[in-house]
Amino acid sequence: AQSVSQHNHHVILSEAASLELGCNYSYGGTVNLFWYVQYPGQHLQLLLKYFSGDPLVKGIKGFEAEFIKSKFSFNLRKPSVQWSDTAEYFCAVIGNNRLAFGKGNQVVVIP
Amino acid sequence: EAEVAQSPRYKITEKSQAVAFWCDPISGHATLYWYRQILGQGPELLVQFQDESVVDDSQLPKDRFSAERLKGVDSTLKIQPAELGDSAMYLCASSLAALHEQYFGPGTRLTVT
Repeated sequence: AQSVSQHNHHVILSEAASLELGCNYSYGGTVNLFWYVQYPGQHLQLLLKYFSGDPLVKGIKGFEAEFIKSKFSFNLRKPSVQWSDTAEYFCAVIGNNRLAFGKGNQVVVIP
Repeated sequence: EAEVAQSPRYKITEKSQAVAFWCDPISGHATLYWYRQILGQGPELLVQFQDESVVDDSQLPKDRFSAERLKGVDSTLKIQPAELGDSAMYLCASSLAALHEQYFGPGTRLTVT
């Protein structure tokens, strides 16, 4: 079965710092890739997705992610975070018609 | 904006009791998912429906959990009997089709005492 790995479960950083969250998956075939975000007290919502094409995808609120097929990775980045980016971030992968989520990264941005 | 509806939002039940959760997906979404999320972990798929048919229930503990989507629209997830270890957030999501992005509901927080 495929798996999704997210490291550094808890991340604390100051406003204006850069953020990078790693995501690695184990499935070797064609994949669809997602990052979801859950702000405090809110639903899970889609941040960005990759199906095909340009491996650098841009999402909402200044986030972007890069798909590197050779590394089985789909890392999320934001050059300058804001206090409102405090949330939990989940990487998700669909491979062989099965969806798997990572364990998430709890990100706290200090004003 | 259309949303996935779930009820109840919170449920407290005693172990060995039965409990049921309801989900109404976004109109027109053929695929519906039930997830369980334990604190500090990502959502774990319990069951996936395509219209009224189950397409993946490999992670559903079938001795106590059941799910149905009789008319291919709303869905019910049932636990009978509930156990202490079932305490978790139960999330419902829907998508236009199986490989598309999913839209999540607010979840039902279950506490089993």
